[in-house]
Amino acid sequence: EAGVAQSPRYKIIEKRQSVAFWCNPISGHATLYWYQQILGQGPKLLIQFQNNGVVDDSQLPKDRFSAERLKGVDSTLKIQPAKLEDSAVYLCASSRPGGDTQYFGPGTRLTVL
Amino acid sequence: GESVGLHLPTLSVQEGDNSIINCAYSNSASDYFIWYKQESGKGPQFIIDIRSNMDKRQGQRVTVLLNKTVKHLSLQIAATQPGDSAVYFCAERSGGNQFYFGTGTSLTVIP
Repeated sequence: EAGVAQSPRYKIIEKRQSVAFWCNPISGHATLYWYQQILGQGPKLLIQFQNNGVVDDSQLPKDRFSAERLKGVDSTLKIQPAKLEDSAVYLCASSRPGGDTQYFGPGTRLTVL
Repeated sequence: GESVGLHLPTLSVQEGDNSIINCAYSNSASDYFIWYKQESGKGPQFIIDIRSNMDKRQGQRVTVLLNKTVKHLSLQIAATQPGDSAVYFCAERSGGNQFYFGTGTSLTVIP
């Protein structure tokens, strides 16, 4: 079974620029999550999708972050405009319908200069 | 918000010894807990889980203990190997399928 795919793996941008991350979950996994992991900390949930609907986006900074999962499969997370404090690893995870365990992708390491 | 924390940020053990990583959680309503292992440059990898109606669960070389009275979780790794060197996170679920992660403990295995 192929794992969760993410791209790009690394991204360096200037502050106030825009950036987008892509995630392809494990086939058949209805639930998709985006996490932000700041260096030295545990992952923090940004948004959770169930198919193409948002279940929880309470911790997503909506003034600059947006995410979509239009067809209920792939997802894109966007930051516009980026701030220095957005430097982090952005992790995507997915889980089976009714499943508990989340499977994580390798993450995208974002550096904002 | 949720609070999931770890008692020790770093842990060094000799190869072959047993390792114990501890975690405190704050929400007594949390019903499910997972331990993850994260190696450098990789996403967290599932190790073992436990539900709140259990107090112990064993896997291959790993055991998770749950003490709901004091809201404490521990991960025991038997015969620790160099490949076990990583950061270990506990995560608790307290609603829906949303998890709150602790800060992590960095485990270093000394050959």
